[in-house]
Amino acid sequence: AQTVTQSQPEMSVQEAETVTLSCTYDTSENNYYLFWYKQPPSRQMILVIRQEAYKQQNATENRFSVNFQKAAKSFSLKISDSQLGDTAMYFCAFMNGESGGSNYKLTFGKGTLLTVNP
Amino acid sequence: AAGVIQSPRHLIKEKRETATLKCYPIPRHDTVYWYQQGPGQDPQFLISFYEKMQSDKGSIPDRFSAQQFSDYHSELNMSSLELGDSALYFCASSFIMEEGQYFGPGTRLTVT
Repeated sequence: AQTVTQSQPEMSVQEAETVTLSCTYDTSENNYYLFWYKQPPSRQMILVIRQEAYKQQNATENRFSVNFQKAAKSFSLKISDSQLGDTAMYFCAFMNGESGGSNYKLTFGKGTLLTVNP
Repeated sequence: AAGVIQSPRHLIKEKRETATLKCYPIPRHDTVYWYQQGPGQDPQFLISFYEKMQSDKGSIPDRFSAQQFSDYHSELNMSSLELGDSALYFCASSFIMEEGQYFGPGTRLTVT
């Protein structure tokens, strides 16, 4: 079974600064996908960024980028130019990509609560 | 763009009652997932359907059942409700699995 660990329960950052959220995972699979989801106070789960394990290039979506270290099983999220609207719980998630049609469930970490201060 | 629709958004039930949660996936999405998120917890996978067939099952109690219909919408049926079933229930859908799952706004179930 896969496990996802987020070692930072809470973090804070000043508006316009950069912050990095950590995530490590454990798996014996070679084909998998990693995601970061954002859950603001509204409790909506919003997909922020995705990374395929077979791609060495780190994914980037506007102010959000990841540092994917496959050998170290590390998948951190960097938020640049932090904005007040980035205040949310951030969940790292793992999805096994091996099987067809099944086992595509997401396994989440416990989350990191990020507060952006004005 | 169309999103995942869940109804109702809020539901209050008493112990031992039955609840039905509905999910309408994004058009063209053929896979539906159900997750349960307790207070202060991460979402936990319950069950999924691909092309109207159950594809995977997680930590779903025997009191719960679910199905996906011909129009791809899904329903989660919960019977003999317990206080511990109080949670936020998410439905998510996907079409191409590597693109990730898109979540609905959730149904907040409160059991009293």
